[in-house]
Amino acid sequence: NAGVTQTPKFQVLKTGQSMTLQCAQDMNHEYMSWYRQDPGMGLRLIHYSVGAGITDQGEVPNGYNVSRSTTEDFPLRLLSAAPSQTSVYFCASSFDRETEKLFFGSGTQLSVL
Amino acid sequence: QKEVEQDPGPLSVPEGAIVSLNCTYSNSAFQYFMWYRQYSRKGPELLMYTYSSGNKEDGRFTAQVDKSSKYISLFIRDSQPSDSATYLCAMSGGPYETSGSRLTFGEGTQLTVNP
Repeated sequence: NAGVTQTPKFQVLKTGQSMTLQCAQDMNHEYMSWYRQDPGMGLRLIHYSVGAGITDQGEVPNGYNVSRSTTEDFPLRLLSAAPSQTSVYFCASSFDRETEKLFFGSGTQLSVL
Repeated sequence: QKEVEQDPGPLSVPEGAIVSLNCTYSNSAFQYFMWYRQYSRKGPELLMYTYSSGNKEDGRFTAQVDKSSKYISLFIRDSQPSDSATYLCAMSGGPYETSGSRLTFGEGTQLTVNP
């Protein structure tokens, strides 16, 4: 059972480049979300989705786009990378969209130079 | 001021010690309280989940919630080196459809249990 799979594990970008962080889950969870984790800031919600075709913004959505065409996949797109987006990104899913008992992926370490 | 405050540590204890990890919060609407454990270079995993005030025990772990003081705790008994990790508290105001509330995380406390 793979759970939540994130790719890539590491990525280095130059300022202005775009890229997509991939996230897939095989647990048939309706709720999926993206967080970034920074020292001293904890985990902060970027975007989330309560089902295919439905997405919404979290606490720090600027500079990121998401889409949810299938239950399994929830990619996060960086439109024009900035050094402030250097962070560790985690995708998570939950079988319980109301109380958010989250299953996390192993993370993507992103550096923007 | 952050809605959820958590001392980042680091906290270092000898094997077998009782560990107390704590969070305070300012939002009186929080009703659901969780503790996640995060090993180095891994994603967080749900450790404990409680609703409203009271205690919940699971093996060596006990979660306590005191809503009157806006204070939650996680106790680890007979701590083991395998408990070395970062512990994050998280809380929300209730079901999203009625409260519009999403999880708010603390910064995390880094714990090391020394053999």
